[in-house]
Amino acid sequence: ETGVTQTPRHLVMGMTNKKSLKCEQHLGHNAMYWYKQSAKKPLELMFVYSLEERVENNSVPSRFSPECPNSSHLFLHLHTLQPEDSALYLCASSQDEEDTQYFGPGTRLTVL
Amino acid sequence: QKEVEQDPGPLSVPEGAIVSLNCTYSNSAFQYFMWYRQYSRKGPELLMYTYSSGNKEDGRFTAQVDKSSKYISLFIRDSQPSDSATYLCAMSVGSGNTPLVFGKGTRLSVIA
Repeated sequence: ETGVTQTPRHLVMGMTNKKSLKCEQHLGHNAMYWYKQSAKKPLELMFVYSLEERVENNSVPSRFSPECPNSSHLFLHLHTLQPEDSALYLCASSQDEEDTQYFGPGTRLTVL
Repeated sequence: QKEVEQDPGPLSVPEGAIVSLNCTYSNSAFQYFMWYRQYSRKGPELLMYTYSSGNKEDGRFTAQVDKSSKYISLFIRDSQPSDSATYLCAMSVGSGNTPLVFGKGTRLSVIA
């Protein structure tokens, strides 16, 4: 276990549904990240939060909405997704935005 | 040209072989280089972390960085079936809120 947990581990949703992914880190880190991992593509950084403030948004569509209520929790709210959004969504955390990131197990998302 | 290039494999080797995994990159500003290992259905875990050029050894693993050639390598000695996983290289221009850029990952199978 890396100290980063994600729920749910698997999610199937329709294009009109609204769902949320949750990430929690127990490492006392100050920075948290959302990544998207699609088949046969490099890992894509979606959002970066540092001390609960969003500091990076890599041109992610507005149908993905992050929320960081405190330094231990990170959410990714999903609405009106497309089938091409089906992927593994990984959360990571690091101490004070340093490069050593610790990843959670991911949420396998399928959009029908 | 993609920022980070990594041969996706798959790479299959017999147990005990020396494995060489490589990435090339185009951005000469990269200074921090990492290798992650990802087992099936798990998130990536940090394996090796190096700064600038040079070698770093940790047990059976050796990471090499050649900034003049924009080329990094991960060597695995005495490979074991438990080393079977996908290996991702990652790099960044510096610490402090700089995003990681990942390769696509190389899938390795070590056959007993």
